[in-house]
Amino acid sequence: DVKVTQSSRYLVKRTGEKVFLECVQDMDHENMFWYRQDPGLGLRLIYFSYDVKMKEKGDIPEGYSVSREKKERFSLILESASTNQTSMYLCASSLDPNFKANYGYTFGSGTRLTVV
Amino acid sequence: SQKIEQNSEALNIQEGKTATLTCNYTNYSPAYLQWYRQDPGRGPVFLLLIRENEKEKRKERLKVTFDTTLKQSLFHITASQPADSATYLCALDIGNYGQNFVFGPGTRLSVLP
Repeated sequence: DVKVTQSSRYLVKRTGEKVFLECVQDMDHENMFWYRQDPGLGLRLIYFSYDVKMKEKGDIPEGYSVSREKKERFSLILESASTNQTSMYLCASSLDPNFKANYGYTFGSGTRLTVV
Repeated sequence: SQKIEQNSEALNIQEGKTATLTCNYTNYSPAYLQWYRQDPGRGPVFLLLIRENEKEKRKERLKVTFDTTLKQSLFHITASQPADSATYLCALDIGNYGQNFVFGPGTRLSVLP
């Protein structure tokens, strides 16, 4: 089974802190994604990456950056955490873009981040 | 503007009945559409993918249809069970050969015993 592991389930940080959220997948997937999920707003894409050292902005990249130095690891960085970044953060990975194998994204269990 | 709507925020049905969830979209032309299940406090879990040239896809008690003319997908769970209670999300590809998907808001399904 493909596994996407997020480093923390729950995290509490102070306003202004630099926050690192780590995500590791174990199935050699090319594509990796970071979403945040908020009640009433659904899943919103922050950043994604199709390959090592590649990154693309999603719908809400402001206040975030990412790093993909190795294929299996995709990190989300909150440069200076703010209270409006309190949310559930979900990492996902996917394989071949043509979905020949008929499967989609594999998500991690999520990190619930609270910024106080 | 582009929009994805799922029929209702919450749906209650009786155990044993068929649950039908709807995903409607405007101003998208997806080549692929996916359905996911999400339990509280967990990440979504992939269920089914259907391509634009496929009218219907089945997997055990699940059936998905995709009507590109109506811009709608229907997701059916037959012989529903309380364990099917969860939030169900549809997701459309927004180009780049299916590498990037946008998610609907979800429908919270409750199957009552």
